[in-house]
This record gives sequence, C-alpha cells and structure tokens, in this order.
Amino acid sequence: EDQVTQSPEALRLQEGESSSLNCSYTVSGLRGLFWYRQDPGKGPEFLFTLYSAGEEKEKERLKATLTKKESFLHITAPKPEDSATYLCAVQRNQAGTALIFGKGTTLSVSS
Amino acid sequence: DAGVTQSPTHLIKTRGQQVTLRCSPKSGHDTVSWYQQALGQGPQFIFQYYEEEERQRGNFPDRFSGHQFPNYSSELNVNALLLGDSALYLCASSPLLAGGNQNEQFFGPGTRLTVL
Repeated sequence: EDQVTQSPEALRLQEGESSSLNCSYTVSGLRGLFWYRQDPGKGPEFLFTLYSAGEEKEKERLKATLTKKESFLHITAPKPEDSATYLCAVQRNQAGTALIFGKGTTLSVSS
Repeated sequence: DAGVTQSPTHLIKTRGQQVTLRCSPKSGHDTVSWYQQALGQGPQFIFQYYEEEERQRGNFPDRFSGHQFPNYSSELNVNALLLGDSALYLCASSPLLAGGNQNEQFFGPGTRLTVL
C-alpha cells in the first residue's frame, strides 16, 4: 500500500537554527514528490516538485532533496515567518495525478 | 492573475443534510481535483474532473459526487451528511492540456464544513 510518513510531527526552532524535515515514502513507481507549505486555516501553497533521486531544488531558505526512499526539506537560518505546517505528497506512475499526502510537520520558529 | 477560488468560506450543516461546495480553477487550468482534510491530517484525494467527467476517484463513498462545467469550474456535493464529514474541503487545479506542468496542483483556500 502506498504510504507517506513525515517526521517529526512537530519541530520548534530558534530563529537562525537550521534543521531538516523528513518525508519517507513507499510507492510503487514514483512519478513525482511534492512539498507544500500550509498556514493555519488556509490551503496548501506549492513549494517544490522533485522527480528523480539526486535532484535538488532551492527557494530562499528552503532546499528540497530526493533519494529513492525519502526526501528532506532543509531549512537554513529560519525566521519566524517560516512557521507553518509542511506537507509532503507523492504521485504514482499510471495512477493519474492524485496526490497522496503525509500528515505534515508543524514548524514553529521563535525569535 | 486570480488563483483558485472556493465558496463558501465556512458552512455549518446538520446530520442528514446535503451540501454543495464550489470551485473556480486558476486561469489557464482545465483540471480540478477535490481533497478532504480532517483536523491534524494531510489532505485525502476525493476525485478529479477533466472535460466535465470524473477522471479519477479516491476511496470515498457515493455520497460524494461532483460536476465540472464548460468553464472548468466545479462543484462538490455531499449527501446524507455525517459528523465525520466535518473537515476542510480543498480544491486544486492543474493544466492537463493547457500547457504547463500537469503534475503540479495549486490549491484554493478551502471551505470549512462543520456538521452538527
């Protein structure tokens, strides 16, 4: 069965304290892996798409990487405005474009 | 450029009632997907519409149905509401044939449904 597991469930950081969020996946034939940011009571905001092992993408203080079994979202020198829930999702080959989401990691950054 | 819009923002219903939620996709997008997000959980795929037909469906009962109109906007209907249907309902659009990356889905702000 396809599964996406994110860890940790919650993470508290001080401003400037870098860290990483993990997304491990079990899927038969990965088409793509997606990262989204979600603020409370709002819809997910698209961040990155990764398609193959070894691929990396960056946006401001965020960097996403992909291996054959997991993805990491690295946050460098975070600021309080980076506080949000970060969701990981996968798409499976020959299964349309439906996204299978993990439960997310809630990040809190204090100044 | 308007993003994905949804209406209403909030809705309160009682058990057994029926509800209709609405979505307008991002400009240039022709495919609409619906997701249910319970509190503290990730979104779960309900179904996807393209060319006014249901193209793909997740593990949801027939009480959940939808429609897509010629202008690509979409509706989600839920009949015989249960307490467990309380959730944030998200609409996402993507450009299947309209150009761009068909795999990338952009979400609206959601409709918060509370069933009493």
